[in-house]
Amino acid sequence: EPEVTQTPSHQVTQMGQEVILRCVPISNHLYFYWYRQILGQKVEFLVSFYNNEISEKSEIFDDQFSVERPDGSNFTLKIRSTKLEDSAMYFCASSEARGFEQFFGPGTRLTVL
Amino acid sequence: DAKTTQPTSMDCAEGRAANLPCNHSTISGNEYVYWYRQIHSQGPQYIIHGLKNNETNEMASLIITEDRKSSTLILPHATLRDTAVYYCIVRVYSGGGADGLTFGKGTHLIIQP
Repeated sequence: EPEVTQTPSHQVTQMGQEVILRCVPISNHLYFYWYRQILGQKVEFLVSFYNNEISEKSEIFDDQFSVERPDGSNFTLKIRSTKLEDSAMYFCASSEARGFEQFFGPGTRLTVL
Repeated sequence: DAKTTQPTSMDCAEGRAANLPCNHSTISGNEYVYWYRQIHSQGPQYIIHGLKNNETNEMASLIITEDRKSSTLILPHATLRDTAVYYCIVRVYSGGGADGLTFGKGTHLIIQP
């Protein structure tokens, strides 16, 4: 069964460093998403991406964040200068079309020291 | 997206049916009811969705009241692996509405052996 994959599973970084989180969405899906979940809190939507551009973003997704689909399979989330409060699980998801059910990856745990 | 209300937690005995309620009294005519679940620290998993008719798939059944103001997710024979947080989300299916899913706090379902 096709699934969304994410790498790495755990990333530790120093405050102020740049990190790139990687995702491989399901191959025939057209919409891609990033969510985050701070420990003990709700899953929060960050951004959606379609046709090589951002479709929608939340207030959390500020100028420190960027997304890219560098090739036909990968979808990345970059955090330019990490802060302590960026420590969270980051989930990638994909869907066949807008509004359709979303399939989530296993997540990347980001720890900012 | 319409607001939903779910109990904070529920217990169910293994092998019994787990019935998870959700209130969505402000649901609009074009909004569907979606259920996702999150097993500890994993990515959310799509379970089922419906508009007004009852739905069943290999994972669960969804019962939506005639006035659509509430619904119940039924796991017919709960196992220990069904212990998770279950999220009821109301949103437009396709073509309109927000891209991102809005997760609440959900119901923490604990299956007791």
